[in-house]
Amino acid sequence: DAGVIQSPRHEVTEMGQEVTLRCKPISGHNSLFWYRQTMMRGLELLIYFNNNVPIDDSGMPEDRFSAKMPNASFSTLKIQPSEPRDSAVYFCASSLARGAYEQYFGPGTRLTVT
Amino acid sequence: KNEVEQSPQNLTAQEGEFITINCSYSVGISALHWLQQHPGGGIVSLFMLSSGKKKHGRLIATINIQEKHSSLHITASHPRDSAVYICAVRVNNAGNMLTFGGGTRLMVKP
Repeated sequence: DAGVIQSPRHEVTEMGQEVTLRCKPISGHNSLFWYRQTMMRGLELLIYFNNNVPIDDSGMPEDRFSAKMPNASFSTLKIQPSEPRDSAVYFCASSLARGAYEQYFGPGTRLTVT
Repeated sequence: KNEVEQSPQNLTAQEGEFITINCSYSVGISALHWLQQHPGGGIVSLFMLSSGKKKHGRLIATINIQEKHSSLHITASHPRDSAVYICAVRVNNAGNMLTFGGGTRLMVKP
């Protein structure tokens, strides 16, 4: 398996633009997580899905952020409009849903909003 | 106070030294993870444990549930071990969500 795939790997955009980050989880995994990592706050969970259903989105910073998982093999995280403080590395991870299973992380998307 | 605290925040060691990184948490957990993040940014899961001890090569992870404490040990450290090591816990009744420590930045000098 190719592991968790994220795209793009790097994104530079101007403030106010819409940004869409994409994630393909490992085949067979039915939990998917979106994390954000900054120097100031470290790794933070934004939202996670079980079987394509959002379970907890309490980490989503504000209404500018939205996430979808239309099917088991694809998820998006959208920021509209983007702001400089959204600059961070965004990681997607997947795992099996039941029990305590390891999470497998994607390579991350480094977002810079100017 | 953070639910997951790591120490030290930064650690510099000479090649060959025995290294210990500590993680303390204040909540009930079902599992604890140790993650490694290399300078390139990728995150790799090293261990997931809920009791006792696990060993993989030169890495050893232990957990004491009563004391709410875990340690990650690296024996015969090598420059390629230089990375950020992150402790994360799966809080009871919080499904598969992970709560992260702030990380320990390790540099091993040749």
